[in-house]
Amino acid sequence: EADIYQTPRYLVIGTGKKITLECSQTMGHDKMYWYQQDPGMELHLIHYSYGVNSTEKGDLSSESTVSRIRTEHFPLTLESARPSHTSQYLCASSEQGRGHTEAFFGQGTRLTVV
Amino acid sequence: EDQVTQSPEALRLQEGESSSLNCSYTVSGLRGLFWYRQDPGKGPEFLFTLYSAGEEKEKERLKATLTKKESFLHITAPKPEDSATYLCAVQAPNYKYIFGTGTRLKVLA
Repeated sequence: EADIYQTPRYLVIGTGKKITLECSQTMGHDKMYWYQQDPGMELHLIHYSYGVNSTEKGDLSSESTVSRIRTEHFPLTLESARPSHTSQYLCASSEQGRGHTEAFFGQGTRLTVV
Repeated sequence: EDQVTQSPEALRLQEGESSSLNCSYTVSGLRGLFWYRQDPGKGPEFLFTLYSAGEEKEKERLKATLTKKESFLHITAPKPEDSATYLCAVQAPNYKYIFGTGTRLKVLA
């Protein structure tokens, strides 16, 4: 079982609020990822990190920002939430050791902006 | 361009009726092909990793195979609890994972 945790699981918030979605993993993985997924749709990469102090934007443009100050922690922040940000946000991590390249996912945060 | 295409989009099977899901991919330097299971409202659950053509992996009623251009997920004698969306992904040399849109499987009792 993967040790990667996301909080909160569900969040309903008003337009204009600042929010931070938390993601932590206890596996010591150096690579971490944030994906956005709408119901019944594919996963879109919005941010990734190769290690501490390394962050890159993904393939899908996003108004969110991320930070990676500690190996185990990769929070995602929205400075001013809008209804268009309503979606499921999935965090993942992976190591790239020999024979182990799979990503493990958290349970996701379902965000609703009203 | 790195790309993953899954078919069919949706599949309904009777309990015990075996079938296969397809994943076609193009990637510049495959670092691995992955299968995941995703239940509604949850994160994807890792099933298999395949690295080279000819490789096969099995877990209970699931068997994954890989060729140079596609992968199959074979489901033998499925049960209703196998109902889920099955996702295929590849990892490119830059360590990014590219996902397909998934196959929604429904197994009827």
